[in-house]
Amino acid sequence: EAGVTQFPSHSVIEKGQTVTLRCDPISGHDNLYWYRRVMGKEIKFLLHFVKESKQDESGMPNNRFLAERTGGTYSTLKVQPAELEDSGVYFCASSLGAGNTIYFGEGSWLTVV
Amino acid sequence: DQQVKQNSPSLSVQEGRISILNCDYTNSMFDYFLWYKKYPAEGPTFLISISSIKDKNEDGRFTVFLNKSAKHLSLHIVPSQPGDSAVYFCAAQSLGSGNTGKLIFGQGTTLQVKP
Repeated sequence: EAGVTQFPSHSVIEKGQTVTLRCDPISGHDNLYWYRRVMGKEIKFLLHFVKESKQDESGMPNNRFLAERTGGTYSTLKVQPAELEDSGVYFCASSLGAGNTIYFGEGSWLTVV
Repeated sequence: DQQVKQNSPSLSVQEGRISILNCDYTNSMFDYFLWYKKYPAEGPTFLISISSIKDKNEDGRFTVFLNKSAKHLSLHIVPSQPGDSAVYFCAAQSLGSGNTGKLIFGQGTTLQVKP
C-alpha cells in the first residue's frame, strides 16, 4: 500500500513567484495535515483537514498560504507570492482518525531565492 | 511560546550502550506523547507513544517513560545500534473535545550511535 506521497520533492523559486505543493494521503485516510520545518527548527503544524473541510488552520502563517482539499482526496498548498522566509521543508501527513497513527510523507523542500 | 521542548540538540553514544533522549512540556492537558524518528531526506516515522495516564510503555529496544508531575518524558534505547542514528522528535497531542489531534513537536535531538 502506498504511503503519503508529496510532489515536488524539491523546488527552487524566486521571491514573488508562486509554488503549489501537492499531497496524496494514504488511501482511506480522512485526516490530512500540513506541517513545516524551517532551518532545522521544530516541525510546526500548519493546518488540518477532515475530508474536504478545514478543521484547524491556526498554524497558517499568513494569507499568502492557501490550502485546499477538493473532494476530500489529495490536497494542495499554494504559496503566493513566495517570500524568503517561506523556505523550508513542507510535510504532509495523514491518519485514519484523529486518534490514530499519523503517517508522514517525505516532504517537499522549498527554497525561495 | 514552545509547549514541547527538547533541550539537547545532539547526543552521541557508543554502540551497545543506552541512549536517553529527553523532552519537556508545559501543557498538562496533553493526552498522548509520541516519539518520531527521522532520517535525512525522509519524513518522520512513528516510533512509540504513551498515554498521559501511563508512566511507561515498552516496545522492544525502545521504552518511553512519562513523569507527569515533572512534565517530562524520556525515550530509552537499549542497546543502541548504528542504524538508530537519526533525528528524534518528541511530540504531544490533545484528543479531547474541540481538539483536532494535531501534533506539537519539539526541536528534535540528533542521535549518533558510534560503532
